[in-house]
Amino acid sequence: SQTIHQWPATLVQPVGSPLSLECTVEGTSNPNLYWYRQAAGRGLQLLFYSVGIGQISSEVPQNLSASRPQDRQFILSSKKLLLSDSGFYLCAWSLTGYAFSGYTFGSGTRLTVV
Amino acid sequence: LAKTTQPISMDSYEGQEVNITCSHNNIATNDYITWYQQFPSQGPRFIIQGYKTKVTNEVASLFIPADRKSSTLSLPRVSLSDTAVYYCLVGNYTGGFKTIFGAGTRLFVKA
Repeated sequence: SQTIHQWPATLVQPVGSPLSLECTVEGTSNPNLYWYRQAAGRGLQLLFYSVGIGQISSEVPQNLSASRPQDRQFILSSKKLLLSDSGFYLCAWSLTGYAFSGYTFGSGTRLTVV
Repeated sequence: LAKTTQPISMDSYEGQEVNITCSHNNIATNDYITWYQQFPSQGPRFIIQGYKTKVTNEVASLFIPADRKSSTLSLPRVSLSDTAVYYCLVGNYTGGFKTIFGAGTRLFVKA
């Protein structure tokens, strides 16, 4: 069965510090991968998605970046965090193909920038 | 991408049936309708998906009228543990599937 791992679960970082969040998927090949952010009490905002290794699409201009160094690994990074980067970050995957099969989300990372 | 509109919140009591309606007037021909459930500090969880008419699984039913401009998630006999945020998504595979999550509907189930 497919599983998705996301870590760390919580993170407190000072303003201006770097960020690296990692997500890995097991049990499937060539998945579509996504990074979402959720502000407190709000909906999910799509940040990045990837259809393959090295292929990243950005949905929202910001000081975050994403990389996909391996088929089932997706990394969210920042060189210098801002207070506004605080939020709940979720990684997700979906199958490729012409029929949308839905997203499977990781357990999320609660990031607090202080 | 089709935008969705849902009620911000709903209240219900244990044992009642809850119907949450989502409007998606600009749905495209190849768009699917998918509903997710999210508990605090957790990722959303897939509930049900449909294209047209009615879909039922062990958790919920999804009703989609012929024009597909709206859909209704039906939760039979809710319990306290169904208190969560419910999201309606509309989208399709376009070389990298992406959809828009709205603010969702916060369902409060009371004893």
